[in-house]
Amino acid sequence: QKEVEQNSGPLSVPEGAIASLNCTYSDRGSQSFFWYRQYSGKSPELIMFIYSNGDKEDGRFTAQLNKASQYVSLLIRDSQPSDSATYLCAVNEMDSGNTPLVFGKGTRLSVIA
Amino acid sequence: NAGVTQTPKFQVLKTGQSMTLQCAQDMNHNSMYWYRQDPGMGLRLIYYSASEGTTDKGEVPNGYNVSRLNKREFSLRLESAAPSQTSVYFCASSESSPYGYTFGSGTRLTVV
Repeated sequence: QKEVEQNSGPLSVPEGAIASLNCTYSDRGSQSFFWYRQYSGKSPELIMFIYSNGDKEDGRFTAQLNKASQYVSLLIRDSQPSDSATYLCAVNEMDSGNTPLVFGKGTRLSVIA
Repeated sequence: NAGVTQTPKFQVLKTGQSMTLQCAQDMNHNSMYWYRQDPGMGLRLIYYSASEGTTDKGEVPNGYNVSRLNKREFSLRLESAAPSQTSVYFCASSESSPYGYTFGSGTRLTVV
C-alpha cells in the first residue's frame, strides 16, 4: 500500500514569514510529485509539480524534492492570510502508465495577520 | 472553458436509494477519476478510467459502480446508498500520467 504522509497541522505562521510544509512517501518508484491547495469547501487546485531532485521555484512557492530521503516539501515565502488553506501532497509513478495519484491527508496552514 | 463539471452540487438521499453522479470534462483529457473526501481521511480513490473504454478499481470501490460513457463523461453510481457513503465526491481529469489533475467543484452527498 503506497502511503503519503503529512503533518495534519494546523501550522500557524505570522504574515510575511516562510511557511514550510513537508511530505514523505513510501514508494521508491514514485517519480512525480504535486502540491495542491484546497480552501475550505472548495476543490483542490494544483500549485506546483516537481519531477527532479532539487528545488523548483514559481513565484512565492518553492518545491523541494529529495528522492533518496523520499521527502518533498513546499516553501511559501512572504506568507499572506490568503494562503490559509489545506495543502495536499500527491505522488505517482511516472513509468507505470496512467497510475492515479496517491494523496496525503493534507496540512492545514493558518497565516496570522 | 468550463474544465470539469460535476452535477449535482448537493444531494440528500435516504438509505437504500440510488443515484448517479455526473462528471464531464471539456479538455480532451484521457484519464478521469472519482475520489471521496472525508474529514481526517484525505482524498481516497474510488474508481478511475485511464482511457476511454477502461475502468479500474481504486482504494474504496465497494458500493459504487462507474461508467466511462465517452471520452468526456465519467459517471459514478451508488446502487443502494448507505450512511457510510456520506462524503464529498470529487471528479478529476488529467491528460495522462504524470500530469496533475484538474478537479471538479465537488458533490456534497448526505445519506440519512
